[in-house]
Amino acid sequence: GAGVSQSPSNKVTEKGKDVELRCDPISGHTALYWYRQRLGQGLEFLIYFQGNSAPDKSGLPSDRFSAERTGESVSTLTIQRTQQEDSAVYLCASSSRTGGSGYTFGSGTRLTVV
Amino acid sequence: QKEVEQDPGPLSVPEGAIVSLNCTYSNSAFQYFMWYRQYSRKGPELLMYTYSSGNKEDGRFTAQVDKSSKYISLFIRDSQPSDSATYLCAMRQGNTGTASKLTFGTGTRLQVML
Repeated sequence: GAGVSQSPSNKVTEKGKDVELRCDPISGHTALYWYRQRLGQGLEFLIYFQGNSAPDKSGLPSDRFSAERTGESVSTLTIQRTQQEDSAVYLCASSSRTGGSGYTFGSGTRLTVV
Repeated sequence: QKEVEQDPGPLSVPEGAIVSLNCTYSNSAFQYFMWYRQYSRKGPELLMYTYSSGNKEDGRFTAQVDKSSKYISLFIRDSQPSDSATYLCAMRQGNTGTASKLTFGTGTRLQVML
C-alpha cells in the first residue's frame, strides 16, 4: 500500500478484556516497529521485527503484551487483561532493511481502557 | 535522567518568526538524528534526517547536530500557522538490527499565531 495502515483507529475496551491491534506495513519494508505514546510523553519502543529474524521484544512492558508478524507483512499487537495504564496511542512504523531515512509511521490506534 | 531531553513547550510564536527547537542526549553512540512533525491524532511524519554532526537544510527547515555537545536543533524560518504541531526529535545508533530502534524526545508543541 501507499502508507502504513493501522486498525482500528480507535478502541474503547473494558478493563480486563483482551485487545488486538493490527498493522499493515508498506509493501517491501522488511522492518516493522511498534511504539506506544502516552499522553504528553514521547514514543516508547515496544517491539521490532526484521524479516525472519527473532524479534527484539525488549520494550514490551509486561507479559500481557505480545506481538506477531507473518513473514514481512501484517503484524498484530495483543494486550491481554487490559489495565487503565495501557491507555495510549499505539503506533506502528516500517522501514526498508537498508535503513537510510527514518521510518514511516501509521496514524496509530488510540486505545482507551475504561 | 532520560536518554533524550526535550522541552515540551508549548511554544507560541507569531507568523513569520524563526523557531528554534532543541534536544539534548546522553548516549554518545547515537549516530543518526531525525526530526518528526506530528499533527493532532496523526502519526509522526519525518521532516529532517541527519547523519553525524553538521547542518542540513531543506526549504524553510534547517537541522543542526553537534555531537561534541550532544545537542541537536531544528530551525524553522518564516513560520506559518500550518507549522503548528508537535515536533519530536529522535535518534538511533545504527541502520540495522537492534541499533535501528529510535529513541524519542517527549516532543515540543509549537503554535504559530496569525
